[in-house]
Amino acid sequence: EPEVTQTPSHQVTQMGQEVILRCVPISNHLYFYWYRQILGQKVEFLVSFYNNEISEKSEIFDDQFSVERPDGSNFTLKIRSTKLEDSAMYFCASSVTESDGYTFGSGTRLTVV
Amino acid sequence: GENVEQHPSTLSVQEGDSAVIKCTYSDSASNYFPWYKQELGKRPQLIIDIRSNVGEKKDQRIAVTLNKTAKHFSLHITETQPEDSAVYFCAAWSGQYSSASKIIFGSGTRLSIRP
Repeated sequence: EPEVTQTPSHQVTQMGQEVILRCVPISNHLYFYWYRQILGQKVEFLVSFYNNEISEKSEIFDDQFSVERPDGSNFTLKIRSTKLEDSAMYFCASSVTESDGYTFGSGTRLTVV
Repeated sequence: GENVEQHPSTLSVQEGDSAVIKCTYSDSASNYFPWYKQELGKRPQLIIDIRSNVGEKKDQRIAVTLNKTAKHFSLHITETQPEDSAVYFCAAWSGQYSSASKIIFGSGTRLSIRP
């Protein structure tokens, strides 16, 4: 079964540093997403991406965040200057169409110290 | 924007009994409702979904119902087994307006199956 792949699985970074979280969506999927989940809480929408541009973003996705699809396979989330409250599990997801169930990656646990 | 409320937050049932999780949504334009199961430390996995043109859908021991008028939907698990223990998230998607084109999750229900 096709999978969404995320790397790294765990990243520890110092406050103020930049981090890049990487995702390889399923190859025939056209819609890409980032969600985050603070420990023990619900899954929160960050951003959706289609046709090489952001479709929608949440209020969480401020100027410190950016996404990019640098080539035909990778989809990245960059946090420019990390804060303690950015510590969370970040999930990438993809779907064939907007209205299909999303397939989630296994997540990157980001710890900001 | 869409808001999804989910309850209960925790649910403990005896193995073999049924479990029901309920959700409500706010945006009447929402037309797709997936349910995800998340085991500890793992990714959310889609277990079943329902679209607004259908009132009920069943897949083995799992069923979902949708009441569009009342804007609520439910997950029913029958003959529960220990492997059903997990956190379950309901979600809603509204595709009518591009500004609402995303899946919004409920707050989750931690289901525990007692042996």
